[in-house]
Amino acid sequence: DTGVSQDPRHKITKRGQNVTFRCDPISEHNRLYWYRQTLGQGPEFLTYFQNEAQLEKSRLLSDRFSAERPKGSFSTLEIQRTEQGDSAMYLCASSLAQTSFSTDTQYFGPGTRLTVL
Amino acid sequence: TQLLEQSPQFLSIQEGENLTVYCNSSSVFSSLQWYRQEPGEGPVLLVTVVTGGEVKKLKRLTFQFGDARKDSSLHITAAQPGDTGLYLCAGEKEEITNAGKSTFGDGTTLTVKP
Repeated sequence: DTGVSQDPRHKITKRGQNVTFRCDPISEHNRLYWYRQTLGQGPEFLTYFQNEAQLEKSRLLSDRFSAERPKGSFSTLEIQRTEQGDSAMYLCASSLAQTSFSTDTQYFGPGTRLTVL
Repeated sequence: TQLLEQSPQFLSIQEGENLTVYCNSSSVFSSLQWYRQEPGEGPVLLVTVVTGGEVKKLKRLTFQFGDARKDSSLHITAAQPGDTGLYLCAGEKEEITNAGKSTFGDGTTLTVKP
């Protein structure tokens, strides 16, 4: 399978705990995106990387959210001190952008479903 | 206010019927994508449109990008139960500073009854 993969698929945690999700993009893709999706809504953009550079992070929901892509391949999204409102599906997508400003098509992973008790 | 408004929000039809769903905005988009999402899964890309007035066909699905690149429609002919799902449109606004930042609509939930 050469698609985008995410791990874990499901995570249940208690309020106040930290969680980390992993995303492995399609191997030749240089861009990687994180989204959050709540029930009844479309995905909400959080942040994205071009190779290892994080080009946009102003839409991360709070300073409890952080993302890394240290070697320009896989990425992690961490949520510290989780709150019940963080319960959602966290989606990762990747794309192959020709230039820093080019339009590209994103391919999504299956998502990580987070439940905060 | 949603940047991309999708309508209708819900649609329930019988197998064999035709349907059209819409994605509208007051902003111009450099490209627009349509995705289909099943419960508990990520969105799966159906098509990308980039040229105003462009029409693309994918079997029984016909996608159209508005001439002004502000809106799009998805028409399904002879719907089947396997078409059931959440149909999402997404786009990148034309301004160069928005490259890489896709905005999604809230989707149309389609149910096709056998």
